Amino acid sequence: SQQGEEDPQALSIQEGENATMNCSYKTSINNLQWYRQNSGRGLVHLILIRSNEREKHSGRLRVTLDTSKKSSSLLITASRAADTASYFCASSNFGNEKLTFGTGTRLTIIP
Amino acid sequence: GAGVSQSPRYKVAKRGQDVALRCDPISGHVSLFWYQQALGQGPEFLTYFQNEAQLDKSGLPSDRFFAERPEGSVSTLKIQRTQQEDSAVYLCASSLSGGRAYEQYFGPGTRLTVT
Repeated sequence: SQQGEEDPQALSIQEGENATMNCSYKTSINNLQWYRQNSGRGLVHLILIRSNEREKHSGRLRVTLDTSKKSSSLLITASRAADTASYFCASSNFGNEKLTFGTGTRLTIIP
Repeated sequence: GAGVSQSPRYKVAKRGQDVALRCDPISGHVSLFWYQQALGQGPEFLTYFQNEAQLDKSGLPSDRFFAERPEGSVSTLKIQRTQQEDSAVYLCASSLSGGRAYEQYFGPGTRLTVT
């Protein structure tokens, strides 16, 4: 079963706007990762945030983690048409490398 | 360099047939994972290996599913007596790790359709 719930399930925004996706999970985690999936490139790792970190940046991506609320958010700034894809959060627990994925957010960037 | 490759990319099987799906991980990656992704859902964990050792197979849905990685490199996921509910994309991933969680590199997947 999938641990994470993501919202919104689908999001459409104009090119150039910012997109925010949220993820909630159920159990204690070692780290949380975000992946992007589109038909052209499959599932690609975007960013990893460890349980002792609160915020991380990578290019136009900003991830936050709130372990007290068991939630994370992914912000994509200055969106581009190429950002159109499904985005998944995935968590791993201490002592186990397997990933538990969320349900995903389908992001559409309107040119 | 070469990424994770999977074959075949598409497989159509009649209900009751056995299938074998192959994964070639990135060279030198210790850990290898199999996930199953149904349409419109996130991937769900099936099993994982560290080198040739299968450390977790808790996600395998039934004893019809079997995975192996005999030499710690290439892995095969076998499904016996396929059922319609087995129709999904099967994703393989590898990572450097070896105990500590790192990012995983995914292959393109094998889309299995059981008719």
